[in-house]
Amino acid sequence: EPEVTQTPSHQVTQMGQEVILRCVPISNHLYFYWYRQILGQKVEFLVSFYNNEISEKSEIFDDQFSVERPDGSNFTLKIRSTKLEDSAMYFCASFGISGANVLTFGAGSRLTVL
Amino acid sequence: AQSVTQLDSHVSVSEGTPVLLRCNYSSSYSPSLFWYVQHPNKGLQLLLKYTSAATLVKGINGFEAEFKKSETSFHLTKPSAHMSDAAEYFCVVSPITGGFKTIFGAGTRLFVKA
Repeated sequence: EPEVTQTPSHQVTQMGQEVILRCVPISNHLYFYWYRQILGQKVEFLVSFYNNEISEKSEIFDDQFSVERPDGSNFTLKIRSTKLEDSAMYFCASFGISGANVLTFGAGSRLTVL
Repeated sequence: AQSVTQLDSHVSVSEGTPVLLRCNYSSSYSPSLFWYVQHPNKGLQLLLKYTSAATLVKGINGFEAEFKKSETSFHLTKPSAHMSDAAEYFCVVSPITGGFKTIFGAGTRLFVKA
């Protein structure tokens, strides 16, 4: 079964550093998402991306965050200057409308900000 | 607008006994509904999905869920719990609209006693 692949699986960074989390969505999917889950809390929506632009974002997704699809396959989440509270598991997901809806999540990237 | 409510924050069962994890949703559209499982320090794994086909959906590891439109419910069941089922379970609602976001329930932690 097709998978969404995320790298790295775990990243440790110093506060104030830039971090890029990478995702390879399922190849024929057109909608892409980032979610995050702070330890012990609910999974929260960050942003959705369609047709090379952000289609929706939550209040969490402030100017420190950005997304892009630089090469038609990777979908990245950049955090410009990490804060302690950015420590979380970040999930990428992709979605394709092909007869039945299939929203597929990656295994997640754990970000630890020290 | 969409919402999803998982009625129990945690459920404890004995190994070999049935599992029932409850989920109610509201949606102004015909939703797609999912159950995901998250084992400790792991990513999200799709258990099963409802996408307007059969109302009784069978998933992996013996889980199934029944979509009941009249009750706006999508409860997850398993006839006989196994120790390896101990995990966090998320009910998720996803509409089909442009620029949409997917809503997670707060999660139900399943404990399985030997």
